[in-house]
Amino acid sequence: DAKTTQPTSMDCAEGRAANLPCNHSTISGNEYVYWYRQIHSQGPQYIIHGLKNNETNEMASLIITEDRKSSTLILPHATLRDTAVYYCIVGNYGGATNKLIFGTGTLLAVQP
Amino acid sequence: GAVVSQHPSWVICKSGTSVKIECRSLDFQATTMFWYRQFPKQSLMLMATSNEGSKATYEQGVEKDKFLINHASLTLSTLTVTSAHPEDSSFYICSARDPQGGEQYFGPGTRLTVT
Repeated sequence: DAKTTQPTSMDCAEGRAANLPCNHSTISGNEYVYWYRQIHSQGPQYIIHGLKNNETNEMASLIITEDRKSSTLILPHATLRDTAVYYCIVGNYGGATNKLIFGTGTLLAVQP
Repeated sequence: GAVVSQHPSWVICKSGTSVKIECRSLDFQATTMFWYRQFPKQSLMLMATSNEGSKATYEQGVEKDKFLINHASLTLSTLTVTSAHPEDSSFYICSARDPQGGEQYFGPGTRLTVT
């Protein structure tokens, strides 16, 4: 079973920041938080991952709470092309048993 | 990011026939690949873990004799759906783990329709 809880759907206005929350209260000490997104009828696309520090790359920022029980993915300036299902996943980074178990994700709809 | 390809991108076959789907890592060697299945309006479901040079590890409830997985090289894993039935119609997606960085990259998926 997935170890994360996400809202089913969210709306965001184009050009505004999209903040997608994720709860992972049972995360263990060596598990990372991964974010992927899936645009309709395509394979998932890697966005970002982190352990305990906040992370930023060209796509997004990942904010992880100090107790690591929740995190927020931030798309700073959402565009229509960011409309997708966003999956928050916890797992062992690079480990031999690094299976990514997908939950139901959040459908982000960016509105013009 | 790294590129993972799948072939074919879509396939239509008749009930009772077998279909082979290929998954290739194009710019890295993947000792571990994963196969997922996704039904309409549902999330991805992990089917099996494919390990180069050894037998695949199947998730609970996935029939290993129906979904044959072969990972004969560090850049290629294949999934064969044997004796396909209409209920096997789905979107099949593979991923490959980059052993250097540890990230997993996903292929574009293969749409299987069994008539």
